[in-house]
Amino acid sequence: DIQMTQSPSTLSASVGDRVTITCRASQSISSWLAWYQQKPGKAPKLLIHKASSLEDGVPSRFGGGGSGTDFTLTISSLQPDDFATYYCQQYHRSPLTFGGGTKVEIK
Amino acid sequence: EVRLVESGGGLVRPGGSLRLSCAASGFTFSDYHMNWVRQAPGKGLEWVSYISNTGATINYADSVKGRFTISRDNAKKSLFLQMNSLRVEDTAVYYCARDPALLWFREFSGMDAWGQGTTVAVSS
Repeated sequence: DIQMTQSPSTLSASVGDRVTITCRASQSISSWLAWYQQKPGKAPKLLIHKASSLEDGVPSRFGGGGSGTDFTLTISSLQPDDFATYYCQQYHRSPLTFGGGTKVEIK
Repeated sequence: EVRLVESGGGLVRPGGSLRLSCAASGFTFSDYHMNWVRQAPGKGLEWVSYISNTGATINYADSVKGRFTISRDNAKKSLFLQMNSLRVEDTAVYYCARDPALLWFREFSGMDAWGQGTTVAVSS
């Protein structure tokens, strides 16, 4: 199975900050990586697929990068609505696997 | 509007069974692969099972293999998860999630639509 490791697990930041979350795969997954945002009590929302392709309607302050084993999710200027938990997920092969999550908190 | 609505959750004793359903609307259900993903209380997301658009390909997480069965009825635009031999560690919110991979002639993709979830509690 492909293990997905996210860091940090918690991130404290202020509105307007640039934040970066990293995700590492235990083996190469090419660009078959998705990023999700989840708020408490809500279902996850797909932000990015294929490592860097922004879903329709997702603000352009969100950006994804990387390929192979190392990936990043960057929020260029953190907004109040962005405080949430973020997950990466590989879909290179089954079993599909998620990272452990990164909680972005208000500093 | 794309909608996925799960139902069938509840409280069950260890060893018991439940059947979850997911009703789809607002899109051509037979054009999409589907998944079940769960989230234990206070924990992260865990993929449970996948079924291709025709039902020809099915995958399971090792943690549920042999106990859970995924199925779909394209005519009724519905996805199902039959859960048998339930364990305390199966306690979670269960989400159905749409997979648009067929649009790119692939097996898997990011899951672009999710239901609101249904809660399964396994306890004696």
